[in-house]
Amino acid sequence: GNSVTQMEGPVTLSEEAFLTINCTYTATGYPSLFWYVQYPGEGLQLLLKATKADDKGSNKGFEATYRKETTSFHLEKGSVQVSDSAVYFCALTGANFGNEKLTFGTGTRLTIIP
Amino acid sequence: DGGITQSPKYLFRKEGQNVTLSCEQNLNHDAMYWYRQDPGQGLRLIYYSQIVNDFQKGDIAEGYSVSREKKESFPLTVTSAQKNPTAFYLCASSIRGGQGRTGELFFGEGSRLTVL
Repeated sequence: GNSVTQMEGPVTLSEEAFLTINCTYTATGYPSLFWYVQYPGEGLQLLLKATKADDKGSNKGFEATYRKETTSFHLEKGSVQVSDSAVYFCALTGANFGNEKLTFGTGTRLTIIP
Repeated sequence: DGGITQSPKYLFRKEGQNVTLSCEQNLNHDAMYWYRQDPGQGLRLIYYSQIVNDFQKGDIAEGYSVSREKKESFPLTVTSAQKNPTAFYLCASSIRGGQGRTGELFFGEGSRLTVL
């Protein structure tokens, strides 16, 4: 079955530091890949997505590239802010038509200190 | 504004009681989902429904039940058979299928259930 493995947290960085959160996946075919973010006390929001190999998703300064050869979708940001403190989830959908169930990683808690 | 509304936000239950969590959406989405979130375990799918009057078990359906009588509503009942119900429950919805599918889920703010 499908699975997602995320870098374990928690991750603590200083403001303006470079961020990488690793994500690798196992799936048959060509799944779509996502990063969701969960701010304290809230539900999840879509941060960015990529639907085919070599696509780069980007939003709010975050980027991730769909690497089929390494089955990875690492999240990066060049200069983090305190407001980026949240839990980040990597996820994928099934590659089959009409299969929109998401499989999530365990989440990585990110804390940015001023 | 369009979105997903979950209620209640916090709920306390005594052992042996059933409780129902509400989820309503006005996004006109066909598909709805219930996830359970536990610390260190990410999100696990309980049930999902791709169309009215139809639903499917997810990975951890035991001890839960759902109904989908209306497109906008997908309530989750946590029964007394659920051995460890204390958790954060998230409801989500999405556009179902189609060539333009994005897989994007829209989430509610969650309901935190505590069993006393």
